[in-house]
Amino acid sequence: QLQLQESGPGLVKPSETLSLTCTVSGASVSSSNYSWGWIRQPPGKGLEWIGSLHYSGTPYYNPSLKSRVTISVDTSKNQFSLRVTSVTAPEMAVYYCARAPTPLDDHLYFFDYWGQGTLVTVSS
Amino acid sequence: SYELTQPPSVSVSPGQTASITCSGEKLGDKYVSWYQQKSGQSPVLVISQDTKRPSGIPERFSGSNSGNTATLTISGTQAMDEGDYYCQAWDSSTYVFGTGTMVTVL
Repeated sequence: QLQLQESGPGLVKPSETLSLTCTVSGASVSSSNYSWGWIRQPPGKGLEWIGSLHYSGTPYYNPSLKSRVTISVDTSKNQFSLRVTSVTAPEMAVYYCARAPTPLDDHLYFFDYWGQGTLVTVSS
Repeated sequence: SYELTQPPSVSVSPGQTASITCSGEKLGDKYVSWYQQKSGQSPVLVISQDTKRPSGIPERFSGSNSGNTATLTISGTQAMDEGDYYCQAWDSSTYVFGTGTMVTVL
């Protein structure tokens, strides 16, 4: 059964770097059948896609965050990670990792499994 | 950037039909997925590729997409269907989520 588990510091200071890891069990992060992504949700607000590491190995990022975000993979640990630099208080959110199946059609992109999420607070 | 707009809230009586719309320019040319998020939980995929239900999702959930509007329909709504619903599409190499709709079963 597929499981995704986010981990990382729950508190980050403004202007510092947020780093989270998603540990995957039940599927391989190196499989060409899947892409892996990060989504966040500020308290009481909607979902915002941060970025994804595609099955091709190419990263795709939300244009509004692109200059500050890096997503990488560690196949030896079956994990993928998120780094967001220079965080600010409004970036306090629950951060989710999720899996997307490789699309059969060029526009068919969606997330079929999500982790439970981890709350990251940005405060000094 | 591409935007998907949903009504903030929809109310429905138990057993009745709830319809949640998602509007975007030429949305019918894209595939739309829908996610259900209950309070304090992670989102769950309920519809992909406009109309496909993943395994384990009840038949009362259905979807359609045409023109500028996609619709998620919950037939015979149950109390357990209460929660937030988000549409999502893919545009210009980005995942775009809708603004979200809170469904209340009165």
